[in-house]
Amino acid sequence: QTVVTQEPSFSVSPGGTVTLTCGLSSGSVSTSYYPSWYQQTPGQAPRTLIYSTNTRSSGVPDRFSGSILGNKAALTITGAQADDESDYYCVLYMGSGIWGFGGGTKLTVL
Amino acid sequence: QVQLVQSGAEVKKPGASVKVSCKASGYTFTSYGISWVRQAPGQGLEWMGWISAYNGNTNYAQKLQGRVTMTTDTSTSTAYMELRSLRSDDTAVYYCARAVTYGDYAHFDYWGQGTLVTVSS
Repeated sequence: QTVVTQEPSFSVSPGGTVTLTCGLSSGSVSTSYYPSWYQQTPGQAPRTLIYSTNTRSSGVPDRFSGSILGNKAALTITGAQADDESDYYCVLYMGSGIWGFGGGTKLTVL
Repeated sequence: QVQLVQSGAEVKKPGASVKVSCKASGYTFTSYGISWVRQAPGQGLEWMGWISAYNGNTNYAQKLQGRVTMTTDTSTSTAYMELRSLRSDDTAVYYCARAVTYGDYAHFDYWGQGTLVTVSS
């Protein structure tokens, strides 16, 4: 069974840039997996940030961007702010109504 | 505006069943699917399955096959997730999410507020 992989944790300085990645235990991530990214703060429901690799959801600041980097999907935060400190989840579409979630990346802004 | 409103918290004993509802509003219910995602305390998000509100087709996560059933009631625009033979490790917050699966899209765009299910003897 293919597993969606993410860095468990990452830290970034305020104003800095960070790139979180999303890979597969077997194979490469491409746009055909329709990568999407979700932000979650403690006690809250997830919030949709990016879908279809690089499309920002309504109301999402343009400091968040998505892309494919090499064989992985990537979420880049440019000019990180304190309230970007959250858990970030990558989701890949496996086809036929099946999705795979990454384990999440805990982002610290300090 | 699109809203997904879930039913309230539940406390169940091991071996029991739970049925969580997710009432949709603000859009044509049968034009989208619904996925269910859960999160155990201190853990990440786990995809449980998907149901097409158009034709009732379902797909379930392999680890839950045989214990989970997802249904919809198009007359009330409500989706349901039933989980049987509950165990302590089913204790989690359960979320419904609207699933977009057409054209170049396959993602979740709106989420319910979550329902805490506690399994304890």
